[in-house]
Amino acid sequence: DAGVTQSPTHLIKTRGQQVTLRCSPKSGHDTVSWYQQALGQGPQFIFQYYEEEERQRGNFPDRFSGHQFPNYSSELNVNALLLGDSALYLCASSSDVRWYQETQYFGPGTRLLVL
Amino acid sequence: GDSVTQMEGPVTLSEEAFLTINCTYTATGYPSLFWYVQYPGEGLQLLLKATKADDKGSNKGFEATYRKETTSFHLEKGSVQVSDSAVYFCALADLNSGGSNYKLTFGKGTLLTVNP
Repeated sequence: DAGVTQSPTHLIKTRGQQVTLRCSPKSGHDTVSWYQQALGQGPQFIFQYYEEEERQRGNFPDRFSGHQFPNYSSELNVNALLLGDSALYLCASSSDVRWYQETQYFGPGTRLLVL
Repeated sequence: GDSVTQMEGPVTLSEEAFLTINCTYTATGYPSLFWYVQYPGEGLQLLLKATKADDKGSNKGFEATYRKETTSFHLEKGSVQVSDSAVYFCALADLNSGGSNYKLTFGKGTLLTVNP
């Protein structure tokens, strides 16, 4: 049973560019959450997708947007990249039905460097 | 808003030493509490969790007890190994809102290094 997978593993962009990160949830999971982890910090919640809609959002600007597909996979898009967007981006999946039995499972992350 | 405060690291111990990593929280509701571990170059793995007051979560020799009166969830292990070297994150989530519509709020993490 594959866990949460993310691609790419590493990415280098320049300021002002746009980036798309991808996530496939664990089998049986229908909810995807995205987190940003700056170096030396704990992960910060960006947003969560369920039934192809953004269900809740953290304190991140509109430059951060996402999408969820019918197969529950998800994309995180960041426009007009800033140096401060350099971080590890983590995807986590969970089940809306079995939420009380389990918690969020995390992928290995995508490390984004903005130059 | 919700917040989590962890003891500042890094923590360096010798193998077989006793480990305590302190964690306190602030929350408006009745959160569930978690410890996640991040090994070098990897994502987060759930280590243990507790969903109500006085619950004890345990896994791989690690334990933490949900103390509502002191709003704490300290992580302990009686005898650490070199393989326990990692970053440990305390986190909370309000699961009582129903469904999986919850977010995790993390502390800043504590780097643990265990020397042979």
